[in-house]
Amino acid sequence: GAVVSQHPSWVICKSGTSVKIECRSLDFQATTMFWYRQFPKQSLMLMATSNEGSKATYEQGVEKDKFLINHASLTLSTLTVTSAHPEDSSFYICSARRGSTEKLFFGSGTQLSVL
Amino acid sequence: RKEVEQDPGPFNVPEGATVAFNCTYSNSASQSFFWYRQDCRKEPKLLMSVYSSGNEDGRFTAQLNRASQYISLLIRDSKLSDSATYLCVVVTGGGNKLTFGTGTQLKVEL
Repeated sequence: GAVVSQHPSWVICKSGTSVKIECRSLDFQATTMFWYRQFPKQSLMLMATSNEGSKATYEQGVEKDKFLINHASLTLSTLTVTSAHPEDSSFYICSARRGSTEKLFFGSGTQLSVL
Repeated sequence: RKEVEQDPGPFNVPEGATVAFNCTYSNSASQSFFWYRQDCRKEPKLLMSVYSSGNEDGRFTAQLNRASQYISLLIRDSKLSDSATYLCVVVTGGGNKLTFGTGTQLKVEL
């Protein structure tokens, strides 16, 4: 089946540093990838839709200058949390669609802890 | 009103019990529905799609009620390994927007 690889699995960093998270589709091309954030005991909240070769579409309330998304190829999207602060600590998950299917294939998630 | 609502639980049930969850959605134009399972600090995994005609996969049965705008998940003969959070997902916007419910936590006990 389709596999989406996400890493790192967890990051601990100091406040003010930037963190890059990678999401790769391993056996299919993903023209669209999604980035979610999940706080403890809460649902996945869509942050942005990453489109290969064009700018990402951000959900309302998500700062595009803080959460930089780059989808440079059909198999790779990156999320960079710039100048991370403790309130950015969360579980970040990417997902991808293969073709026109509505089913999502998820990465394994990245737990970010900002000290 | 939230787009997708679920009772967060937790539902604590004994092994072997039958348990059901509901998920309500507000957009009557929603086109597709799914149940995902998420273990703690793991990625969600697709459990099953939901159709108006019902969908059964082993001990799991999913149902869609368009008139009342809810979907349901029934788990029969629950196992300890069924303990997880169950997320409903509603697809709208021509398939471009997927909205997750907050999830219902299930704990199956001996």
